[in-house]
Amino acid sequence: NAGVTQTPKFQVLKTGQSMTLQCAQDMNHNSMYWYRQDPGMGLRLIYYSASEGTTDKGEVPNGYNVSRLNKREFSLRLESAAPSQTSVYFCASSEHPGSNTGELFFGEGSRLTVL
Amino acid sequence: GNSVTQMEGPVTLSEEAFLTINCTYTATGYPSLFWYVQYPGEGLQLLLKATKADDKGSNKGFEATYRKETTSFHLEKGSVQVSDSAVYFCALTSSASKIIFGSGTRLSIRP
Repeated sequence: NAGVTQTPKFQVLKTGQSMTLQCAQDMNHNSMYWYRQDPGMGLRLIYYSASEGTTDKGEVPNGYNVSRLNKREFSLRLESAAPSQTSVYFCASSEHPGSNTGELFFGEGSRLTVL
Repeated sequence: GNSVTQMEGPVTLSEEAFLTINCTYTATGYPSLFWYVQYPGEGLQLLLKATKADDKGSNKGFEATYRKETTSFHLEKGSVQVSDSAVYFCALTSSASKIIFGSGTRLSIRP
């Protein structure tokens, strides 16, 4: 059972380059999330998708775009990367946030460095 | 808005010591509360949860009780092991499906 799969695991970009982080889950979950993790800052929500066809901004959406391609896939795009976007990015999914089944399942993370 | 505050780390303890990591929250309504753990090089995984006031979540010897009167969800373990070394995150559900995390507490256990 793969769970949540993120690609790539590592990426180095130059300032101004673009890239897309891919995420797929095989648990038939309704909600998907993108977080970034920075030292001393914990996890901060970038964007989330409560259900297929919807996306909403989180705490730190500037500089990012997302696409909920279908129920399984939720991608995060950096159109013009900046050094401030150097971080570890985590994708997560959940069946029913806020309920007894509100557990988040995380991918292994994608480490992005912007030079 | 909703938020989670947890104690600053790092926390360093000797093996078999008693552990408490404090977590308090601000929320409207009745959120569910969670503790997640992140081992080195891995993503987060759920450690325990509580979905209503006075519920106690427990797993792997860890416990936390949902205290609405003090808006707290402190994590405790009676006797820690080296393998418990990790970063621990308190979290709560918010409105509109958002899940908010605290800043994390790094725990190191000395043999």
